[in-house]
Order: sequence, then structure tokens, then C-alpha cells
Amino acid sequence: DAGVIQSPRHEVTEMGQEVTLRCKPISGHNSLFWYRQTMMRGLELLIYFNNNVPIDDSGMPEDRFSAKMPNASFSTLKIQPSEPRDSAVYFCASTLGNEQFFGPGTRLTVL
Amino acid sequence: GENVEQHPSTLSVQEGDSAVIKCTYSDSASNYFPWYKQELGKGPQLIIDIRSNVGEKKDQRIAVTLNKTAKHFSLHITETQPEDSAVYFCAASKRDDKIIFGKGTRLHILP
Repeated sequence: DAGVIQSPRHEVTEMGQEVTLRCKPISGHNSLFWYRQTMMRGLELLIYFNNNVPIDDSGMPEDRFSAKMPNASFSTLKIQPSEPRDSAVYFCASTLGNEQFFGPGTRLTVL
Repeated sequence: GENVEQHPSTLSVQEGDSAVIKCTYSDSASNYFPWYKQELGKGPQLIIDIRSNVGEKKDQRIAVTLNKTAKHFSLHITETQPEDSAVYFCAASKRDDKIIFGKGTRLHILP
């Protein structure tokens, strides 16, 4: 298995632009998580899905952030409009039972 | 909700010596305790985990201990090597629930 796949690996954009991050979980895993990591705040859970259904989005910072999981093999995290304070590494992780496996992350820079 | 505290935030040990990272959790219902290692530019990687029905688990140079009464768990790395340098995260969760992470420990192995 290729593990959790994220794209793009790096994204540089200008303030106000829309950003879409993509994730393909490990096949057969039933939960998917989106995290944000910064030096100041560490690893923050943004939202997670069980069987494609959003369960807890309390970590989503504000309405500019949205996430979807249209099927078991794909999820997106969208930021519209983006702001410089959104600059971070965004991780997707998938889980079967308790064991959670992370993707390589997307490093987002908003200028 | 669950709260996981991790200490120390930074740890430097001489190569060949042992390293110990300690965590506490607050929710007595938590029953799964994974440890993750994050190397520079990569996502966190699961290195070992322990469930609440076990007090200790070992995998080569890595061992984890769990004290359910005190709500403490620890990671022990023996005979440390340069490649052990990384950020380590402890975490806690209940079955089929989100994983709560500690803030991380940056481990430096000194030559």
C-alpha cells in the first residue's frame, strides 16, 4: 500500500486566493482526519470523518475553512479566502480502529 | 474532554544513553496510547502503542509503560543512536474516537 497520499506537497499562494488540499486515505480505513501543524500551536485537529460523515469539526478555525469527503477514497480541505496566518503544514491521516497513519503533509505558504 | 500533557519539551542525551519521555492523561476512559516519531519534513509515524489491558510493551530498543491508576505513560529509548533524533508525540484515545496528542518532545542525540 502507498500509504496516505496528499497533494500538493507544497503550495505557495497569495492572500485572498482559494486553496484546495487533497487527500487519499489508505484503502479500507474508515476514518479520516485533517490536522494543521505550526511551531506556535503544535499539531491541531481540524476535522475528522467516520465512514465519509463529518463527526467533529470543532477544530476548524473559521468559516473560511471547509472539508468534504465525497467517497471513501478522497477528501479535500479548502480555504477560501486564504490569509497569511493560514501558513502551516496540513496533514491528513487515516485510521482503522485506533491505529492512525499520517500522510507526508502539504506545506502551505500564504503571502 | 481528554487532555494529554507531555514532558519534557526538549531532551538532549548522549549517544548510547537512554531517553525517557513522560505523559499524563486526564480521561480514565482512554484505552489506547500510541507514540509517534516525526522527522524533519515528514508526517508523524506510529512507532509503538499500548492498550489499557497491558502495563508494558517492548520493541527492540523502544519500550512503553502504562500506569492506569496514575494515568501516566512513558516512552523509553535505550542505546540511543543519531537516527533517534526527532520530535516524539504521545497520544491517548478511546475506542473509535479521535486521538488527543501531547505537545511533543524534541529529542537531540549528542555525538
